[in-house]
Amino acid sequence: QQQVKQSPQSLIVQKGGISIINCAYENTAFDYFPWYQQFPGKGPALLIAIRPDVSEKKEGRFTISFNKSAKQFSLHIMDSQPGDSATYFCAASRNTGTASKLTFGTGTRLQVTL
Amino acid sequence: EAQVTQNPRYLITVTGKKLTVTCSQNMNHEYMSWYRQDPGLGLRQIYYSMNVEVTDKGDVPEGYKVSRKEKRNFPLILESPSPNQTSLYFCASSPRPSRRQPQHFGDGTRLSIL
Repeated sequence: QQQVKQSPQSLIVQKGGISIINCAYENTAFDYFPWYQQFPGKGPALLIAIRPDVSEKKEGRFTISFNKSAKQFSLHIMDSQPGDSATYFCAASRNTGTASKLTFGTGTRLQVTL
Repeated sequence: EAQVTQNPRYLITVTGKKLTVTCSQNMNHEYMSWYRQDPGLGLRQIYYSMNVEVTDKGDVPEGYKVSRKEKRNFPLILESPSPNQTSLYFCASSPRPSRRQPQHFGDGTRLSIL
């Protein structure tokens, strides 16, 4: 049972275009939503994160949009560049009483073409 | 340089032969965790540790053991590996076991169990 559903599985975008990756969750106990970027042969690295009391967060070309009522959030990459080609994971975090628990989506492989 | 170091990076072995994947972090982080990454499933947590001598099961702990005798080290032990444990493994650490602490990942260990 996938608690965080991510789509699409793969995405091809032309250089300069907008890349959009969507995630949805069911558990309302999640209260922190990070995105991780992973290059081949490397571990995931935190890209940007949002709290549910904020509807949008922007850092450079990367923007998270958050819809609390719909339990959905998305990553937008503006002016996509070949260097953005990577696998992106959305995640959701909650406290379990003794520790935090991070649940990942299934990942989206982004390819930005010239 | 702040980092999480995993060894080995690649390992091919046979069913039933005990193996250990080491993980070490130099950031004095309290929280450490192991994940496995499989196509179409994203990253799933195996075990985590909130501090020295404190460990607990994640989502997929069967067939794995861990220990946390020192703050910097968190080895993953497969006592009797089986082919279904063939996967890409990541160790991660964060300063504290809080849901809003970014996790720092190692570069991964690719295990093949024949």
